[in-house]
Amino acid sequence: DAGVTQSPTHLIKTRGQQVTLRCSPKSGHDTVSWYQQALGQGPQFIFQYYEEEERQRGNFPDRFSGHQFPNYSSELNVNALLLGDSALYLCASSSTQGEQYFGPGTRLTVT
Amino acid sequence: DQQVKQNSPSLSVQEGRISILNCDYTNSMFDYFLWYKKYPAEGPTFLISISSIKDKNEDGRFTVFLNKSAKHLSLHIVPSQPGDSAVYFCAALQGGKLIFGQGTELSVKP
Repeated sequence: DAGVTQSPTHLIKTRGQQVTLRCSPKSGHDTVSWYQQALGQGPQFIFQYYEEEERQRGNFPDRFSGHQFPNYSSELNVNALLLGDSALYLCASSSTQGEQYFGPGTRLTVT
Repeated sequence: DQQVKQNSPSLSVQEGRISILNCDYTNSMFDYFLWYKKYPAEGPTFLISISSIKDKNEDGRFTVFLNKSAKHLSLHIVPSQPGDSAVYFCAALQGGKLIFGQGTELSVKP
């Protein structure tokens, strides 16, 4: 049983560009949450998707958007990249109100 | 505003001794707490949790203590092993989202 998978593993982008990160949840999970972990900090909640709808959102600007597909996989999109968007982006999946399982993350570097 | 705080960025312990990791929170409405462990190049892995109706939860070498009046929780690892070396995060669960502390890097020396 594959756990949570994320792609790509690493990514380098330039300021102003747009990026899409992908997440496949653990089998049987229907809820996907995205977190941003800056260097030396704990993960910060970006948003959560359930039944293809954004269920709740953290304190992130509209440049951060997402999508959930019918197979429960999810994408995180970030527009107009800033240097401060450089971070590890973590995806977590869960069944409704269940424990969250994290993927290995995507390391985004903005230059 | 940091609602969950881990004030010790790092901790070094000798193998076989006890490791104590601390966490404070500010929101008295939090009623469920979790500890995660993270190795480099991996995502956080769930370790142990505690509900606010309890003051202690134990799982093998890991015990979490909750002091609601002080808004403080701690994770005890006994005995510590070199494989326990990792970054430990405490988190509060609020409406399905996790609110994490900054993490404490534990180093267990042989």
